[in-house]
Amino acid sequence: EIVLTQSPGTLSLSPGERATLSCRASQIITSSYLSWYQQRPGQAPSLLIYGAYSRATGVPDRFSGSGSGTDFTLTISRLEPEDFAVYYCQHYDSPPLYTFGQGTKLEIK
Amino acid sequence: EVQLVQSGAEVKKPGESLKISCKGSGYNFIGYWIGWVRQMPGKGLEWMGIIHPADSDTRYSPSFQGQVTISVDKSISTAYLQWTSLKASDTALYFCVRHENLLKYFDFWGHGTLVTVSS
Repeated sequence: EIVLTQSPGTLSLSPGERATLSCRASQIITSSYLSWYQQRPGQAPSLLIYGAYSRATGVPDRFSGSGSGTDFTLTISRLEPEDFAVYYCQHYDSPPLYTFGQGTKLEIK
Repeated sequence: EVQLVQSGAEVKKPGESLKISCKGSGYNFIGYWIGWVRQMPGKGLEWMGIIHPADSDTRYSPSFQGQVTISVDKSISTAYLQWTSLKASDTALYFCVRHENLLKYFDFWGHGTLVTVSS
């Protein structure tokens, strides 16, 4: 079973700064099946990035995804106040099995 | 507009049964897998299982196999998550999700149903 490890657990930054969130898989995974979600306090998660690089509909272009193999990154170029939330990476594997990382909390410094 | 509308919060006692629902609208309900994701208090997301409304083909996470039952009534575009005997450890927020078929991500989420199990 593939394990996704996100780092850091908590990231403290200020609005306007750049955020870099990591998701590391326990083995090489198919980047097509790597997604990122944002969960704001008190809300359901929402899709940000799918296929490792593609932004979901309506997601601002300050969000970008990159990576391959075992290492994937979510980058937020310039933080807005509404970006402070928890972020999860997720992977699909057969038979099916969907795995989430444990999450990175992005908090205001 | 795609919507997944879930049933309301529940407070139950250990040993009781429960069935929560998720009604899809704004898309071809039988064309997409529907799944459930658990979030325990203050914790992360856990995928529980999925069902295909067209034929009720159901797949479970090994962690939830035998613990819950996922079902669907395609005539009313509604998926269900059911427990026969709740435990305190079932206390959580449960989200229904629509699965995108090709690249296997969750493109739409319900608002969540809070289940509290307490004596």
